[in-house]
Amino acid sequence: DAGVTQSPTHLIKTRGQHVTLRCSPISGHKSVSWYQQVLGQGPQFIFQYYEKEERGRGNFPDRFSARQFPNYSSELNVNALLLGDSALYLCASSLGGGAVYGYTFGSGTRLTVV
Amino acid sequence: DQQVKQNSPSLSVQEGRISILNCDYTNSMFDYFLWYKKYPAEGPTFLISISSIKDKNEDGRFTVFLNKSAKHLSLHIVPSQPGDSAVYFCAAITSGAGSYQLTFGKGTKLSVIP
Repeated sequence: DAGVTQSPTHLIKTRGQHVTLRCSPISGHKSVSWYQQVLGQGPQFIFQYYEKEERGRGNFPDRFSARQFPNYSSELNVNALLLGDSALYLCASSLGGGAVYGYTFGSGTRLTVV
Repeated sequence: DQQVKQNSPSLSVQEGRISILNCDYTNSMFDYFLWYKKYPAEGPTFLISISSIKDKNEDGRFTVFLNKSAKHLSLHIVPSQPGDSAVYFCAAITSGAGSYQLTFGKGTKLSVIP
């Protein structure tokens, strides 16, 4: 069974550019969440989507947006990139709330902004 | 303001001995607590969780203890194995309006010495 897949695995962007990161959840999982992990820190919550609706948003600027498609895959978009956006972006999927069985994370997309 | 704190950045333990990883939290509204393990270049892997109404949960070599009055939880690994060497994240879930956000600590790097 395929786990959570994220693409691309690495990318380098220039300040001011826009980036789109993609995530495919585990088959049957309807909830997708996005997290940002800066070096030396724990992952920080960005968004949660469930059944294609936004269910939660973390403390991130409006430059960050996301959506979930009918097949439950998801995109994270970041506009006007800043150097501080350099991080590992993790996608996680779960059947529902993920409280008991936890979320399954992908391996992440390493974004470097130069 | 860190709501989930892991005050030990690193821990070294001899193979076969017990590893104890600690975590403190400040938000009394957390519903569930989870532990994740992370290897380099991989996403976090769910280990074990505990509901806020329980004080202990056990799964094989892993046991999580929750002390609500002290707002403290710990993960015990017995016996420790070299393959347990990884970064361990403590995380907590708040659920509200159908949203489940994970709040992570900064992680503790466990090294199990053969």
